[in-house]
Amino acid sequence: AQKVTQAQTEISVVEKEDVTLDCVYETRDTTYYLFWYKQPPSGELVFLIRRNSFDEQNEISGRYSWNFQKSTSSFNFTITASQVVDSAVYFCALSEGLTSGTYKYIFGTGTRLKVLA
Amino acid sequence: NAGVTQTPKFRVLKTGQSMTLLCAQDMNHEYMYWYRQDPGMGLRLIHYSVGEGTTAKGEVPDGYNVSRLKKQNFLLGLESAAPSQTSVYFCASTQGADNSPLHFGNGTRLTVT
Repeated sequence: AQKVTQAQTEISVVEKEDVTLDCVYETRDTTYYLFWYKQPPSGELVFLIRRNSFDEQNEISGRYSWNFQKSTSSFNFTITASQVVDSAVYFCALSEGLTSGTYKYIFGTGTRLKVLA
Repeated sequence: NAGVTQTPKFRVLKTGQSMTLLCAQDMNHEYMYWYRQDPGMGLRLIHYSVGEGTTAKGEVPDGYNVSRLKKQNFLLGLESAAPSQTSVYFCASTQGADNSPLHFGNGTRLTVT
């Protein structure tokens, strides 16, 4: 069965430190998509990135970078030079194809990141 | 551009009461989803809809019903609320079968006493 595991429940770092959030997934599909979402203390869910299973190139967006490795079924997220505003809960998600032709999105349990000033 | 709007934002119910959560999207999205978020459990799918007039069960459908009479609206109903349904409920929508990202509403915090 499809599954997303975020083993780190909570991480605390001091501002300007680098931090990596781990995401491990399980799927039977050969074509699938992975996502990261951010949930700041205000509670809304903000989309950060989507990656398909055929694209293993790492992606960088400012201080954020993502490392996708199919060999280890991982899609890890690194924040470089963390800032207090990065404090949030981060969710990794996997899309599962259904026979109806639509997709169901499965979320991990989230990692709470606290960046201390 | 409103995106996905959920009403109400907060609600307190007594055990056995009923209520309906409304989700409205103005992006002409086909697919809509209801999730609940509980501490340590992430987001779990309750029900979803792939189009007007269609609904399907997710991981945790028991105790909930849904309806999608209009494309832009997806209603989540609790017929007889239980304390176990205390949670934050999120509605989301997406374009269609291209794995596009979910657009989320701001959530409804429901407490059942």
